[in-house]
Amino acid sequence: DSGVTQTPKHLITATGQRVTLRCSPRSGDLSVYWYQQSLDQGLQFLIQYYNGEERAKGNILERFSAQQFPDLHSELNLSSLELGDSALYFCASSVARVLGANVLTFGAGSRLTVL
Amino acid sequence: ELKVEQNPLFLSMQEGKNYTIYCNYSTTSDRLYWYRQDPGKSLESLFVLLSNGAVKQEGRLMASLDTKARLSTLHITAAVHDLSATYFCAVDIVNDMRFGAGTRLTVKP
Repeated sequence: DSGVTQTPKHLITATGQRVTLRCSPRSGDLSVYWYQQSLDQGLQFLIQYYNGEERAKGNILERFSAQQFPDLHSELNLSSLELGDSALYFCASSVARVLGANVLTFGAGSRLTVL
Repeated sequence: ELKVEQNPLFLSMQEGKNYTIYCNYSTTSDRLYWYRQDPGKSLESLFVLLSNGAVKQEGRLMASLDTKARLSTLHITAAVHDLSATYFCAVDIVNDMRFGAGTRLTVKP
């Protein structure tokens, strides 16, 4: 157990639907990252939050949104789902040091299947 | 935009052989990480490289960083089957962490 908890582990839904993925970071970590991993696109950075505020944004679609709450857990909302959104979604957390190592601890992932 | 390129993307090795995986990145950074992902599993940290010339070794794996060339290498010595996995490098720009596409390593007896 890495200390980063993601739910649900598996999710099957239909095109056009909306889902929410949840992530609880490791205790003491202030920063949360979301990544999408699909077979043909590797590990794509979506978005990063630090202590409740958005810090960096990657290739996140407008249909997707995220937030980090005061208790530091984060949610990734995916709407108007398309077949191509089927992927493994990872959350990772870190202490987000400005200097020194910033090692990410990954959760087990949420596997989304859109039918 | 920061780009991180790994090569090769696929690597099939015989047990006992040596090989190197390369990671190039497009902008200045002195923080580079290597992660391992087993099939169906999450990513785990392998090495943290924080300065030019940094070298880290664990078992049959050795990672190095050349910040001037914007290049990191992951060298595999005398490969064994247990090293079969996907290896990712990641570059850190002020906490914006970007990953390479990964190198899928298969070690065959």
